[in-house]
Amino acid sequence: EDQVTQSPEALRLQEGESSSLNCSYTVSGLRGLFWYRQDPGKGPEFLFTLYSAGEEKEKERLKATLTKKESFLHITAPKPEDSATYLCAVRSNTGKLIFGQGTTLQVKP
Amino acid sequence: ETGVTQTPRHLVMGMTNKKSLKCEQHLGHNAMYWYKQSAKKPLELMFVYNFKEQTENNSVPSRFSPECPNSSHLFLHLHTLQPEDSALYLCASSQAPSSGWRTDTQYFGPGTRLTVL
Repeated sequence: EDQVTQSPEALRLQEGESSSLNCSYTVSGLRGLFWYRQDPGKGPEFLFTLYSAGEEKEKERLKATLTKKESFLHITAPKPEDSATYLCAVRSNTGKLIFGQGTTLQVKP
Repeated sequence: ETGVTQTPRHLVMGMTNKKSLKCEQHLGHNAMYWYKQSAKKPLELMFVYNFKEQTENNSVPSRFSPECPNSSHLFLHLHTLQPEDSALYLCASSQAPSSGWRTDTQYFGPGTRLTVL
Protein backbone atom coordinates (compact mmCIF):
# COMPACT_ATOMS: atom_id res chain seq x y z
CA GLU A 1 0.00 0.00 0.00
CA ASP A 2 1.28 3.46 -0.93
CA GLN A 3 2.14 5.48 2.17
CA VAL A 4 3.70 8.82 3.11
CA THR A 5 4.90 9.60 6.66
CA GLN A 6 6.26 12.94 7.80
CA SER A 7 8.33 13.57 10.92
CA PRO A 8 8.43 15.21 13.30
CA GLU A 9 4.77 16.15 13.67
CA ALA A 10 5.80 19.50 15.19
CA LEU A 11 9.10 21.34 15.40
CA ARG A 12 10.08 24.41 17.38
CA LEU A 13 13.24 26.28 16.41
CA GLN A 14 14.93 29.46 17.48
CA GLU A 15 15.55 31.98 14.74
CA GLY A 16 18.79 30.99 12.99
CA GLU A 17 18.70 27.38 14.21
CA SER A 18 18.93 25.15 11.12
CA SER A 19 17.11 21.82 10.96
CA SER A 20 15.50 19.26 8.63
CA LEU A 21 12.04 17.86 8.08
CA ASN A 22 11.63 14.26 6.93
CA CYS A 23 9.22 12.66 4.47
CA SER A 24 9.41 8.86 4.21
CA TYR A 25 7.48 7.09 1.49
CA THR A 26 6.62 3.68 0.10
CA VAL A 27 5.00 3.82 -3.32
CA SER A 28 4.71 1.65 -6.38
CA GLY A 29 6.85 3.60 -8.81
CA LEU A 30 7.65 7.18 -7.83
CA ARG A 31 6.37 9.75 -10.35
CA GLY A 32 7.27 12.82 -8.34
CA LEU A 33 7.62 14.05 -4.76
CA PHE A 34 6.11 17.44 -3.96
CA TRP A 35 6.69 19.84 -1.07
CA TYR A 36 4.10 22.45 -0.12
CA ARG A 37 3.91 25.13 2.54
CA GLN A 38 0.57 25.85 4.20
CA ASP A 39 -0.17 28.85 6.40
CA PRO A 40 -3.11 28.68 8.86
CA GLY A 41 -6.46 29.05 7.12
CA LYS A 42 -4.90 29.07 3.64
CA GLY A 43 -4.36 26.61 0.83
CA PRO A 44 -1.06 24.80 0.29
CA GLU A 45 1.56 26.80 -1.63
CA PHE A 46 3.77 24.84 -4.00
CA LEU A 47 7.49 24.79 -3.17
CA PHE A 48 9.33 22.01 -5.01
CA THR A 49 8.99 18.92 -7.17
CA LEU A 50 11.65 16.19 -7.14
CA TYR A 51 11.58 13.29 -9.58
CA SER A 52 14.62 11.10 -9.04
CA ALA A 53 16.98 10.01 -6.27
CA GLY A 54 19.90 12.39 -5.88
CA GLU A 55 17.95 15.40 -7.11
CA GLU A 56 18.13 18.61 -5.05
CA LYS A 57 16.28 21.93 -5.32
CA GLU A 58 16.72 25.19 -3.44
CA LYS A 59 14.66 28.27 -2.78
CA GLU A 60 15.89 30.95 -0.39
CA ARG A 61 16.46 29.21 2.99
CA LEU A 62 14.89 25.92 1.86
CA LYS A 63 16.58 22.97 0.21
CA ALA A 64 14.83 19.73 -0.72
CA THR A 65 16.64 16.46 -1.34
CA LEU A 66 15.45 13.04 -2.45
CA THR A 67 16.59 9.43 -1.95
CA LYS A 68 14.85 6.20 -2.92
CA LYS A 69 13.02 6.05 0.41
CA GLU A 70 12.75 9.58 1.75
CA SER A 71 13.01 13.30 1.18
CA PHE A 72 14.37 15.98 3.44
CA LEU A 73 13.45 19.63 3.58
CA HIS A 74 16.44 21.45 5.03
CA ILE A 75 15.82 24.87 6.55
CA THR A 76 18.93 27.00 6.94
CA ALA A 77 18.94 29.88 9.43
CA PRO A 78 15.13 30.04 9.62
CA LYS A 79 13.21 33.23 10.30
CA PRO A 80 9.85 33.62 12.08
CA GLU A 81 8.15 34.04 8.69
CA ASP A 82 9.14 30.45 7.85
CA SER A 83 6.64 29.28 10.49
CA ALA A 84 4.01 27.16 8.71
CA THR A 85 2.94 23.58 8.11
CA TYR A 86 5.04 21.82 5.49
CA LEU A 87 3.31 19.12 3.48
CA CYS A 88 4.92 16.33 1.49
CA ALA A 89 3.04 14.49 -1.27
CA VAL A 90 4.04 11.60 -3.50
CA ARG A 91 2.66 10.56 -6.87
CA SER A 92 2.83 6.86 -7.64
CA ASN A 93 2.51 5.14 -11.00
CA THR A 94 -1.25 4.90 -10.41
CA GLY A 95 -1.31 8.67 -10.89
CA LYS A 96 -2.67 9.35 -7.42
CA LEU A 97 -1.17 12.08 -5.23
CA ILE A 98 -0.79 10.89 -1.62
CA PHE A 99 -0.20 13.45 1.12
CA GLY A 100 1.55 13.08 4.46
CA GLN A 101 0.03 14.56 7.58
CA GLY A 102 2.46 17.50 7.62
CA THR A 103 5.08 18.99 9.94
CA THR A 104 4.14 22.17 11.77
CA LEU A 105 7.17 24.42 12.14
CA GLN A 106 7.35 27.28 14.62
CA VAL A 107 10.34 29.61 14.51
CA LYS A 108 10.71 31.88 17.52
CA PRO A 109 12.56 35.21 17.33
CA GLU B 1 -7.64 37.38 -10.59
CA THR B 2 -4.71 35.01 -10.69
CA GLY B 3 -4.12 31.42 -9.68
CA VAL B 4 -6.96 29.46 -8.13
CA THR B 5 -9.80 31.28 -6.39
CA GLN B 6 -12.51 29.86 -4.14
CA THR B 7 -15.76 31.33 -2.82
CA PRO B 8 -17.02 31.65 -0.23
CA ARG B 9 -14.02 31.63 2.09
CA HIS B 10 -16.18 30.78 5.10
CA LEU B 11 -19.55 29.01 5.24
CA VAL B 12 -21.76 28.05 8.15
CA MET B 13 -24.74 25.87 7.34
CA GLY B 14 -27.35 23.79 9.06
CA MET B 15 -27.77 20.10 8.39
CA THR B 16 -30.87 20.70 6.24
CA ASN B 17 -29.40 23.50 4.11
CA LYS B 18 -28.26 23.33 0.50
CA LYS B 19 -25.20 25.34 -0.49
CA SER B 20 -22.52 25.34 -3.18
CA LEU B 21 -18.79 25.96 -3.17
CA LYS B 22 -17.21 27.55 -6.22
CA CYS B 23 -13.70 27.24 -7.60
CA GLU B 24 -12.18 29.03 -10.58
CA GLN B 25 -8.70 28.56 -12.01
CA HIS B 26 -6.94 31.21 -14.10
CA LEU B 27 -3.91 29.06 -15.02
CA GLY B 28 -5.16 27.48 -18.25
CA HIS B 29 -5.10 24.02 -16.68
CA ASN B 30 -7.16 21.05 -17.80
CA ALA B 31 -7.61 19.14 -14.54
CA MET B 32 -9.36 20.20 -11.33
CA TYR B 33 -9.69 18.57 -7.93
CA TRP B 34 -11.64 18.77 -4.67
CA TYR B 35 -9.89 17.88 -1.43
CA LYS B 36 -11.09 17.75 2.18
CA GLN B 37 -8.70 18.78 4.95
CA SER B 38 -9.63 17.91 8.52
CA ALA B 39 -7.57 18.72 11.60
CA LYS B 40 -4.60 16.40 12.16
CA LYS B 41 -5.37 14.36 9.03
CA PRO B 42 -3.72 14.27 5.60
CA LEU B 43 -5.50 15.88 2.68
CA GLU B 44 -8.21 13.56 1.35
CA LEU B 45 -8.85 13.57 -2.39
CA MET B 46 -12.58 13.69 -3.11
CA PHE B 47 -13.05 14.18 -6.87
CA VAL B 48 -10.93 14.59 -9.98
CA TYR B 49 -11.99 16.13 -13.29
CA ASN B 50 -9.86 15.87 -16.42
CA PHE B 51 -11.01 17.86 -19.45
CA LYS B 52 -14.39 18.41 -17.68
CA GLU B 53 -14.96 14.67 -17.22
CA GLN B 54 -15.05 13.15 -13.75
CA THR B 55 -12.31 10.57 -13.61
CA GLU B 56 -12.19 9.85 -9.91
CA ASN B 57 -14.63 9.68 -7.01
CA ASN B 58 -13.00 8.43 -3.85
CA SER B 59 -16.07 6.89 -2.22
CA VAL B 60 -17.46 10.29 -1.34
CA PRO B 61 -20.99 10.31 0.17
CA SER B 62 -23.73 11.40 -2.23
CA ARG B 63 -24.48 14.47 -0.08
CA PHE B 64 -21.45 15.95 -1.91
CA SER B 65 -22.14 16.51 -5.60
CA PRO B 66 -19.46 17.96 -7.90
CA GLU B 67 -20.05 19.82 -11.14
CA CYS B 68 -17.52 20.91 -13.74
CA PRO B 69 -19.18 22.98 -16.50
CA ASN B 70 -15.86 23.83 -18.17
CA SER B 71 -12.14 23.40 -17.55
CA SER B 72 -11.94 26.66 -15.56
CA HIS B 73 -14.82 26.21 -13.13
CA LEU B 74 -15.60 23.59 -10.51
CA PHE B 75 -18.46 23.46 -8.05
CA LEU B 76 -19.21 21.34 -5.02
CA HIS B 77 -22.91 21.18 -4.20
CA LEU B 78 -23.70 20.37 -0.57
CA HIS B 79 -26.96 19.06 0.91
CA THR B 80 -28.01 17.44 4.18
CA LEU B 81 -24.47 17.51 5.54
CA GLN B 82 -23.39 16.12 8.89
CA PRO B 83 -21.34 17.90 11.60
CA GLU B 84 -18.39 15.62 10.78
CA ASP B 85 -18.31 17.20 7.32
CA SER B 86 -16.96 20.40 8.89
CA ALA B 87 -13.51 20.95 7.40
CA LEU B 88 -11.43 23.06 5.02
CA TYR B 89 -12.41 22.25 1.42
CA LEU B 90 -9.62 22.87 -1.05
CA CYS B 91 -9.76 23.14 -4.80
CA ALA B 92 -6.68 22.51 -6.93
CA SER B 93 -5.83 22.51 -10.63
CA SER B 94 -3.04 21.13 -12.77
CA GLN B 95 -2.00 20.63 -16.39
CA ALA B 96 -2.43 16.90 -16.82
CA PRO B 97 -0.81 15.16 -19.80
CA SER B 98 -3.18 13.75 -22.40
CA SER B 99 -1.36 10.44 -22.16
CA GLY B 100 1.54 8.80 -20.37
CA TRP B 101 2.69 9.10 -16.78
CA ARG B 102 1.18 11.78 -14.55
CA THR B 103 3.86 14.10 -13.17
CA ASP B 104 1.92 17.37 -13.06
CA THR B 105 2.05 19.78 -10.13
CA GLN B 106 -1.20 20.74 -8.45
CA TYR B 107 -1.84 24.35 -7.45
CA PHE B 108 -4.28 25.04 -4.65
CA GLY B 109 -6.83 27.71 -3.88
CA PRO B 110 -7.23 29.33 -0.45
CA GLY B 111 -9.99 26.94 0.60
CA THR B 112 -13.50 27.27 2.03
CA ARG B 113 -13.79 26.78 5.79
CA LEU B 114 -17.09 24.91 6.22
CA THR B 115 -18.88 24.55 9.54
CA VAL B 116 -21.96 22.32 9.76
CA LEU B 117 -24.16 22.95 12.78
